[in-house]
Amino acid sequence: EVQLVESGGGLVQPGGSLRLSCAASGFTFSTYWMSWVRQAPGKGLEWVATIRKDGSEKYYVDSVKGRFTISRDNAKNSLSLQMNSLRAEDTAVYYCAKDKFTAMIFDSWGQGTLVTVSS
Amino acid sequence: DIQMTQSPSTLSASVGDRVTITCRASHNIRSYLAWYQQKPGKAPKLLISKASDLESGVPSRFSGSGSGTQFTLTISSLQPDDFATYYCQQYNTFSTFGQGTKVEIK
Repeated sequence: EVQLVESGGGLVQPGGSLRLSCAASGFTFSTYWMSWVRQAPGKGLEWVATIRKDGSEKYYVDSVKGRFTISRDNAKNSLSLQMNSLRAEDTAVYYCAKDKFTAMIFDSWGQGTLVTVSS
Repeated sequence: DIQMTQSPSTLSASVGDRVTITCRASHNIRSYLAWYQQKPGKAPKLLISKASDLESGVPSRFSGSGSGTQFTLTISSLQPDDFATYYCQQYNTFSTFGQGTKVEIK
C-alpha cells in the first residue's frame, strides 16, 4: 500500500523559510515522478512543483519560481520542498503526491501539512 | 498559461440523480485531463485520467468524456458517498486545476 507522510509544516513569519518533507513507502520510490500540490484554506487545488524520478528535471508554478526548491533522496525514499521568502499567499495545506506513470497525474496523496505565513 | 473553468460551482442534487459537471480549457489540451474527488478534510482522490480512463476501484457510475477544450464528468446515479467537491485538472502543459464543483444534497 502506498503511503506518503508529510511533515515540517507550521507557523512562519513573512519572509521566512520552511522545509517540508515527505516520507514515501509501499512503492518503488525511485521509479516515479513526485509532486507537491497545495490548497489554501477554503480554496481549490494548486500544483506547486514536480520532480523527475532521478531528480534531473524540476518544474514549478510561476508564483513560486526562485523561492521554492523541490528535491528528492531516492536512497531514503524522501521528497522535500524548501520554501524561502514566504508570503501570506503561500498559506495552505501542502500535499505530497505520487505521479502516475505519466507526470502530473496524481494517483496517491499524503494527508497534507499546514503552512501558515503570518506575523 | 492554460486556464480551466468548471461549471457549475455548486450543484444541488438528490440520491439517484444523474449529475454532469463541465470543464473547459482555455487552450487545446487534447485528452490530457483528469478528474479528482475531494471530501472535507481529506486529500483528493484520482477518479479519471486521460479524459475517460477510470481508475481501478472507482465505481462504474463515474464516467468522463471530451477532448480538446470541452470535457464532462458524469455520475449516472448519485450515491450518498458521492457528495463531495470535484476538480478537473489539465496536464498537457504542466498542471492546472479547475476551481472545483461542490456537489451537495438537495
